[in-house]
Amino acid sequence: KNQVEQSPQSLIILEGKNCTLQCNYTVSPFSNLRWYKQDTGRGPVSLTIMTFSENTKSNGRYTATLDADTKQSSLHITASQLSDSASYICVVRTGTYKYIFGTGTRLKVLA
Amino acid sequence: KAGVTQTPRYLIKTRGQQVTLSCSPISGHRSVSWYQQTPGQGLQFLFEYFSETQRNKGNFPGRFSGRQFSNSRSEMNVSTLELGDSALYLCASSFSGTETDTQYFGPGTRLTVL
Repeated sequence: KNQVEQSPQSLIILEGKNCTLQCNYTVSPFSNLRWYKQDTGRGPVSLTIMTFSENTKSNGRYTATLDADTKQSSLHITASQLSDSASYICVVRTGTYKYIFGTGTRLKVLA
Repeated sequence: KAGVTQTPRYLIKTRGQQVTLSCSPISGHRSVSWYQQTPGQGLQFLFEYFSETQRNKGNFPGRFSGRQFSNSRSEMNVSTLELGDSALYLCASSFSGTETDTQYFGPGTRLTVL
């Protein structure tokens, strides 16, 4: 069964600290892996898209890694800011136009 | 450039009714996808349209349907509403829906079924 699991479910960190979110997937066939940020009450915003051959991609303070052998991805947030408080969703695109979503990690950044 | 717009933003219906949600993609985008988001199930893919054709469909019953018009605007319809259909319905547009195409999401329509 195609699944995307994220950990932790929730995380609280202090402003300025770094954090890493995890995503494990069992999806076949694999097309690409995406990370989204979703603020409360808004639609998700794309952070990174990685294909099978890419193992690192950055978008400002966000850096995603992909290990296609172990089927694991991580999203590292550097020097967190209050505006980073949001849900972060890992999504795997499989086959043609199908997306499998993780349930997300809810991040809270405290001043 | 205007973003993806969805109307209405909020909707309250009763069981058994039907509902139509609308999505206007970013200008020039021809692919529109629909998703359902609930606290329990998270985000789930409903279907994707490109140039008025449905290219793929998620695992939802036939009560969920959609269409896309020649101007790329899309509508989704849910008939015979059930309590479990209460959710945030998101639409996303992309230029062509190809493998690494970035999807841009709208703010969603929050549907409450009483």
